[in-house]
Amino acid sequence: AQSVTQLGSHVSVSEGALVLLRCNYSSSVPPYLFWYVQYPNQGLQLLLKYTSAATLVKGINGFEAEFKKSETSFHLTKPSAHMSDAAEYFCAVSQQYSSASKIIFGSGTRLSIRP
Amino acid sequence: DADVTQTPRNRITKTGKRIMLECSQTKGHDRMYWYRQDPGLGLRLIYYSFDVKDINKGEISDGYSVSRQAQAKFSLSLESAIPNQTALYFCATSDAGTREEKLFFGSGTQLSVL
Repeated sequence: AQSVTQLGSHVSVSEGALVLLRCNYSSSVPPYLFWYVQYPNQGLQLLLKYTSAATLVKGINGFEAEFKKSETSFHLTKPSAHMSDAAEYFCAVSQQYSSASKIIFGSGTRLSIRP
Repeated sequence: DADVTQTPRNRITKTGKRIMLECSQTKGHDRMYWYRQDPGLGLRLIYYSFDVKDINKGEISDGYSVSRQAQAKFSLSLESAIPNQTALYFCATSDAGTREEKLFFGSGTQLSVL
């Protein structure tokens, strides 16, 4: 069985500060890992994904995530937060070579940016 | 225009009523999904369809039914709505032609059951 745990339902950082959103996964087979972002009143959109090609994955809007197998983690980072980064972020896991119907989402982390 | 369109955006209904949420897409994808989002629980899969003749239950299908009227249309029905079905509902699509399937979401339907 697969699962993801997002540590912290709400994270608040100052504009210009480092953003760190934590995600740990559990998977008995090599995983695909995703970060999705949900801006207010919108659906989710893919931020980045890990598919075993490289452990450091770069996404849109300056975000990146590093796959660490030894720590079963896939934390999302951004060096300098912008006000426009305020949104809810979801970590997700699926099995390699499976369909999107097998994607398991975490409970989400709401990111707030202080001026 | 949005690639994945959900109607209505908001709906308030009473316990016991039958309601339908509709989803249409212009992405040409074969695969369509219905999710519900609850605070603190993330997204959970209700039903999914790989093509017009292929409908599958997801994690939480009880109390829901779906209809895939065409490749581009996938509707979700609550036969007899109950308050714990109050949630934000999302339709999504994916392209089976890619090895790792990316989901494309609509903007959601906020449903309140009184």
